[in-house]
Amino acid sequence: DIQMTQFPSSVSAAVGDSVTITCRASQVISSYLAWYQQKPGKAPKVLIYATSTLQSGVPSRFSGSVSGTDFTLTISSLQPEDFATYYCQQANGFPLTFGGGTKVEIK
Amino acid sequence: QLQLLESGPGLVKPSETLSLTCTVSGGSLSISEYYWAWIRQPPGKGLECIGTFYYNTYSKSSLKSRVTMSVDTSKNQFSLKLSSVTAADTAVYYCARLAVQGVWAFDIWGQGTMVIVSS
Repeated sequence: DIQMTQFPSSVSAAVGDSVTITCRASQVISSYLAWYQQKPGKAPKVLIYATSTLQSGVPSRFSGSVSGTDFTLTISSLQPEDFATYYCQQANGFPLTFGGGTKVEIK
Repeated sequence: QLQLLESGPGLVKPSETLSLTCTVSGGSLSISEYYWAWIRQPPGKGLECIGTFYYNTYSKSSLKSRVTMSVDTSKNQFSLKLSSVTAADTAVYYCARLAVQGVWAFDIWGQGTMVIVSS
């Protein structure tokens, strides 16, 4: 199974800050990498798919990119509703796998 | 708007089989356009994709021998059976739709159902 290493595991930031989360694959994968946001007690919600395509309705302050095997989610100008846990998920092949998660906390 | 809803026992005894059903409403359960998946999350931990179903089941390697998935399009339901459960299988279980065709992401999720493995 492809392992997705996600870092940092947690980050403290203030409203208005920019935050970057990285996922690194254990092997070269395709561009089918998605990012999810999960709030406590709720199901995850897809933010970005295919590395950089924003899901409908997701604010443009969320963006995704890739450099080599490192996939990045950037949240520019954090808003109060953005404090949550974020996960990456690869779809290079089955079984699909998730990163370990990054909790974005309020500083 | 398509919605998914998980159902099944909230408590399962060790060594028994966990059985869950996901009912699709507001649309049809198409197995020609989408994959259907089960994902779980142990308390306080991250997400784990148990497997996806598209005519065949594609499971996490460490769970493959214990996982059975099936689809009943006449009932708009898909199901998960996980045999020989232990306390490590205690988790919130989600069903989800995997959108393919250039997306390859879980775009619709159920609300999740908590399953506790305990005697």
